[in-house]
Amino acid sequence: KQEVTQIPAALSVPEGENLVLNCSFTDSAIYNLQWFRQDPGKGLTSLLLIQSSQREQTSGRLNASLDKSSGRSTLYIAASQPGDSATYLCAAPSGAGSYQLTFGKGTKLSVIP
Amino acid sequence: DTGVSQDPRHKITKRGQNVTFRCDPISEHNRLYWYRQTLGQGPEFLTYFQNEAQLEKSRLLSDRFSAERPKGSFSTLEIQRTEQGDSAMYLCASSPQTVRTGELFFGEGSRLTVL
Repeated sequence: KQEVTQIPAALSVPEGENLVLNCSFTDSAIYNLQWFRQDPGKGLTSLLLIQSSQREQTSGRLNASLDKSSGRSTLYIAASQPGDSATYLCAAPSGAGSYQLTFGKGTKLSVIP
Repeated sequence: DTGVSQDPRHKITKRGQNVTFRCDPISEHNRLYWYRQTLGQGPEFLTYFQNEAQLEKSRLLSDRFSAERPKGSFSTLEIQRTEQGDSAMYLCASSPQTVRTGELFFGEGSRLTVL
């Protein structure tokens, strides 16, 4: 059974700092991993999808990496801004042949002006 | 707006009542998913449709829950005889047909409060 863990649960940084969010998963037989952003009371916004054949995926100030052998993914946010404040969730397929995703509990990020 | 649409956004009901949520996926997406999220937790999978066929169901989906996607377009999730433990955000997502699970796009969710 896939388990996804995100550390830390919460993070507070001053504006302009670069930061890294961590995600670990137990079943490394995954074909992709997805990072989402969630604002309070809202749905999830897809940020990045990394295929298992890729090591990194970039979008603007965001860079996600995937290391299947160690069961880890990181989300790097450059030059953080107050508008980046949100909860960031990672999700991995629940098992071989399954279409469902297993989510972590998320990291709540606060960027202080 | 061509994103995933969910209705209603908020529903307050009394214990024992039935509620129904509707999801309209992105038009060219043939895969549709329902998830449930409680406060401080990540979303939990409920069920998955490919076109009109319901292909996966979670054990979380008790016999009080039923989901349909009759014409392979919009979907409904009905909860019968609601309980306070059903209070949660119900999220719908869709994805395009790919070899494996593609990128999921979520709606804004339907928040249920059971009194």
